[in-house]
Amino acid sequence: EVQLVESGGSLVQPGGSLRLSCEASGFTFSSHSINWVRQAPGKGLEWVSYISANGNIMFYGDSVKGRFTISRDNAKNSVYLQMNSLRAEDTAVYYCARVNNIAIDFWGQGTLVTVSS
Amino acid sequence: DIQMTQSPSFLSASVGDRVTITCRASQNIINHLNWYQHQPGKAPRLLIYVASGLQSGVPSRFSGSGSGTDFTLTITNLQPEDFATYSCQQGYTTPWTFGQGTKVEIK
Repeated sequence: EVQLVESGGSLVQPGGSLRLSCEASGFTFSSHSINWVRQAPGKGLEWVSYISANGNIMFYGDSVKGRFTISRDNAKNSVYLQMNSLRAEDTAVYYCARVNNIAIDFWGQGTLVTVSS
Repeated sequence: DIQMTQSPSFLSASVGDRVTITCRASQNIINHLNWYQHQPGKAPRLLIYVASGLQSGVPSRFSGSGSGTDFTLTITNLQPEDFATYSCQQGYTTPWTFGQGTKVEIK
């Protein structure tokens, strides 16, 4: 069974940093690209970042470019999202999601990040 | 960025109804369009990929159609477990973008 389990979400002050983790199981992790997608309260889904299967290619949404960094450790079946200079508008549930061609075929349950003083 | 616009934003329906949700892209995305279902506290679920492909395990009452800029998700014989929010997503180019979502509620 494919599983993606996010962790690391918490309450953080504006300007602070947080590192999210996503541990995968049930599939050949090193063969799949991974996305981070978020959903702010009352808003739609927003794609945040992408990392290729081998970790050589990364993309970021404009709203997080320069502040967030995606990485992965295929030996640990894990993907990470380092979030710096956090803003109130980064408050959201963050989902780790497996890419299959042009779709996201499996999602984690999400981890909540709240940016507030 | 490609903008994805869904309509309606909110839909009230009864069990057994046929429901249609539309998604319009701001430019031609060929058939690079996917549909997702999400419910509070649950992981989102892929329903339809590349406009009309039914994801494994998804009931056949879900179907998708369209190409270019206009796409449709149809749910026939709406079931209690189908009351949820539905979102489209284009995978034609980065940044991948989603529609704002359509919430289907019980009438």
